Amino acid sequence: DIQMTQSPSTLSASVGDRVTITCRASQSISSWLAWYQQKPGKAPKLLIYKASSLESGVPSRFSGSGSGTEFTLTISSLQPDDFATYYCQQYNSYSLTFGGGTKVEIK
Amino acid sequence: EVQLVESGGGLVKPGGSLRLSCAASGFTFSSYSMNWVRQAPGKGLEWVSSISSSSSYIYYADSVKGRFTISRDNAKNSLYLQMNSLRAEDTAVYYCARVHDLSWYMDVWGKGTTVTVSS
Repeated sequence: DIQMTQSPSTLSASVGDRVTITCRASQSISSWLAWYQQKPGKAPKLLIYKASSLESGVPSRFSGSGSGTEFTLTISSLQPDDFATYYCQQYNSYSLTFGGGTKVEIK
Repeated sequence: EVQLVESGGGLVKPGGSLRLSCAASGFTFSSYSMNWVRQAPGKGLEWVSSISSSSSYIYYADSVKGRFTISRDNAKNSLYLQMNSLRAEDTAVYYCARVHDLSWYMDVWGKGTTVTVSS
C-alpha cells in the first residue's frame, strides 16, 4: 500500500497567517491527491482534488500544489473558520490511503 | 439536495455482526461508485471498502478483508456494509462517501454512524 505522511501533525497559527501543510507519498502518485478539511464531530469536506483543483464552493484562499511524491496545501490568509484538521488522500491505487492529519490550532 | 444518510450503527459484542446502510438522495446513485471510510475515536481517517456503480469492482482494506462485505441496491438508492466477526479495533464512526466520477476521491460524505464493539 502507498503510505501518506503529513507534516506537521499540529500547527499553531494566528488569523491572517499563511499556512502550509505537506503530504508525502511513499511512491509516485502523479497528481492523484485530494485534500479534506474536518471539524470536530463533522464529516470531512473536500477542498482540493487532482493535487491543485479547487472544489466548487471552496474559498480561493485554499490552494494545492505538487506532483509525484510531494504535495502541499496552502491557506493564504487563515480565517477563524479554518481551524480544523486537514487530511490528504491518494487515489493512485484502488487501495486508498489517507495521511495522518494536520490539526491547525489557534495560536 | 445531494445527501447521504448512514444508519445501523450501535453497540455490539466482539465476534458479533452489524449491517450498516447508507441512503442516497439528490443524485443518480446508480452512476456513482461509493466508499465506506471509518474513523476510530481520536484517530485519523481509514478507507474501508469501495464498490463501483454496477458492483463490478469491489475492494477492501486488508484490515477488514474476509470479515466485511460491501454491496449496493441501485433500485433502492442504498449502499450497505455487512460487518462480521467484529473486533474492538473496528470501533469507529463509519462514513459513506460518494466517489467523484471515475477518480476515487470523495466529493459527498454522510454524517456517519457510530459502531462500538465492546463486551
